[in-house]
Amino acid sequence: QKEVEQNSGPLSVPEGAIASLNCTYSDRVSQSFFWYRQYSGKSPELIMSIYSNGDKEDGRFTAQLNKASQYVSLLIRDSQPSDSATYLCAVNRGAAGNKLTFGGGTRVLVKP
Amino acid sequence: DADVTQTPRNRITKTGKRIMLECSQTKGHDRMYWYRQDPGLGLRLIYYSFDVKDINKGEISDGYSVSRQAQAKFSLSLESAIPNQTALYFCATSDLPSIFGEETQYFGPGTRLLVL
Repeated sequence: QKEVEQNSGPLSVPEGAIASLNCTYSDRVSQSFFWYRQYSGKSPELIMSIYSNGDKEDGRFTAQLNKASQYVSLLIRDSQPSDSATYLCAVNRGAAGNKLTFGGGTRVLVKP
Repeated sequence: DADVTQTPRNRITKTGKRIMLECSQTKGHDRMYWYRQDPGLGLRLIYYSFDVKDINKGEISDGYSVSRQAQAKFSLSLESAIPNQTALYFCATSDLPSIFGEETQYFGPGTRLLVL
């Protein structure tokens, strides 16, 4: 079992709809969670981080964390063609340093 | 100017050659990282350094070595390149975490390496 798992997609979403991305992790001691967006051929950029159970909203993005079930999700509301990218989930065990473990990424396609 | 730069951006080399990828940052961060990315596998950590005198192996360090020449510079070397080291390589930096444990990694633009 991979430490961080994501559906590779592609997740096809009509423009204006909600895109829902899921990520599960295997290590219960994981403490912080991140969503990175990566456009084709570009470097990852951080869009959301979450540390506590529940929801965290930032503009059109909402991250949801459930530590008991070991999953973290990302919702993209009012999806735009510019949201078409690969979204990487990353998990940090915390404690000694910020060593991130990444999932394989979910490719999102927003169709006009 | 970009905060995290990588050179070269693209490199083609032959099996057995030694090559070096360089990373520089102007963010003033102590922590630096090297990752490789392969299709469908996300990013995997090769080496990381929390300050100039600190070097640590990541999950896939075999076949690689690093040098932290200064706070701002972190180089990755492939001592004898092999075809399965063909990948996209990213350098990243981060500052010390906040009192809440929050910490963000900032990535360079990447180096695309092809080993023939």
